Amino acid sequence: EVQLLESGGGLVQPGESLRLSCAASGFTFNSFAMHWVRQAPGKGLQWVSAISNSGGSPYYADFVKGRFTISRDNSKNTLYLQMNSLRVEDTAIYYCAKDLGTGACFDSWGQGTLVTVSS
Amino acid sequence: QSALTQPPSASGSPGQSVTISCTGTISDVGGYNFVSWYQQHPGKAPKLMIYEVSKRPSGVPHRFSGSKSANTASLTVSGLQAEDEADYYCSSYAGSNNLRVFGGGTKLTVL
Repeated sequence: EVQLLESGGGLVQPGESLRLSCAASGFTFNSFAMHWVRQAPGKGLQWVSAISNSGGSPYYADFVKGRFTISRDNSKNTLYLQMNSLRVEDTAIYYCAKDLGTGACFDSWGQGTLVTVSS
Repeated sequence: QSALTQPPSASGSPGQSVTISCTGTISDVGGYNFVSWYQQHPGKAPKLMIYEVSKRPSGVPHRFSGSKSANTASLTVSGLQAEDEADYYCSSYAGSNNLRVFGGGTKLTVL
């Protein structure tokens, strides 16, 4: 059974940094691209970033380019999201999601970790 | 990277069918057969219901079906059941740089 467990969320002030982690199990982690998707309180889903199975190709939504960095450690089956220069509008539940491998979709999701940016 | 357009709400009685639309552009929905749909119950993580426009993952009831015409994709839920009441989101591949976009979500109410 695929399991994705996010951690690292919390309350930070604007301009501060936070690193999220996503521990994966139940599948061959280094065979699949991975994503971060966020959901602001009471709002819809928003794709944030993706990384190829090898970690060599990161992709970002325009609103996080230059501030967020996605990475992965295939030896630890863990996905990361380094978030710098956080803004109030980055407040959201951050989900990690596994790529199906075909069809450009997300077939497994973690339960999410809440990031609150507030002064 | 504009969001896809979904109606904010939809409803139907048990046993009825309801269709939710998802409108994009030639740069996303219309340009690729990579539309997917997700169901999200309150406080829960999203669940993949449809991928590649009309394919169902293992375990998803046949009551859920997907289609696409030009720049608009649709999710149809037939034989509505109480447990189908949830938020539904469409998503599409959006081209180079592995971009993905989501719709704003549709709240489905089973009357």
